[in-house]
Amino acid sequence: QKEVEQDPGPLSVPEGAIVSLNCTYSNSAFQYFMWYRQYSRKGPELLMYTYSSGNKEDGRFTAQVDKSSKYISLFIRDSQPSDSATYLCAMSYNSGGYQKVTFGIGTKLQVIP
Amino acid sequence: NAGVMQNPRHLVRRRGQEARLRCSPMKGHSHVYWYRQLPEEGLKFMVYLQKENIIDESGMPKERFSAEFPKEGPSILRIQQVVRGDSAAYFCASSPPLVAYNEQFFGPGTRLTVL
Repeated sequence: QKEVEQDPGPLSVPEGAIVSLNCTYSNSAFQYFMWYRQYSRKGPELLMYTYSSGNKEDGRFTAQVDKSSKYISLFIRDSQPSDSATYLCAMSYNSGGYQKVTFGIGTKLQVIP
Repeated sequence: NAGVMQNPRHLVRRRGQEARLRCSPMKGHSHVYWYRQLPEEGLKFMVYLQKENIIDESGMPKERFSAEFPKEGPSILRIQQVVRGDSAAYFCASSPPLVAYNEQFFGPGTRLTVL
């Protein structure tokens, strides 16, 4: 079993739709939970991070963490064609004094105009 | 403030040759991470370095791969005697001196093709 499971998609939605992206994990030591966005042929860029369980909102993006279920989500409201990218969940735990990060495989999202 | 820089962006090698990938971290960042990305596997951790020290190399293949981050100059990921299976995108990330949360900033990657 992988430490972090993420459906690779692809996921196609019409412009304006609400998008829900999810990851599950098995390592209860994970402390920080992150979402990265990666455009084709580019490096990942951080969208949001949360510490422990709860919700965090930033504009059209909302991140949710449920540690009891080992489940995290990213919601995108009013999706735009410019949101078309691969979204990677990532999680970290303290390993010998630093936060070691593990990534999901990424979900490819396409927003159709 | 320039971001993380990687060069070359594209590298073609024949089997058996050596590949050298370079990474210059963001200004003020003293921690460098290398990842390999394959379409079917996602982004996989390889090694974490600080200046002149390898902190965690648990993701590095035991043979042919090495990494360094000298006191002066960029971090180097070296792959000796490349094989077709080494073809992948290699990403470098950097972070500032550690705080509670480890935010990593990624470079644009080097795409290695082994013929």
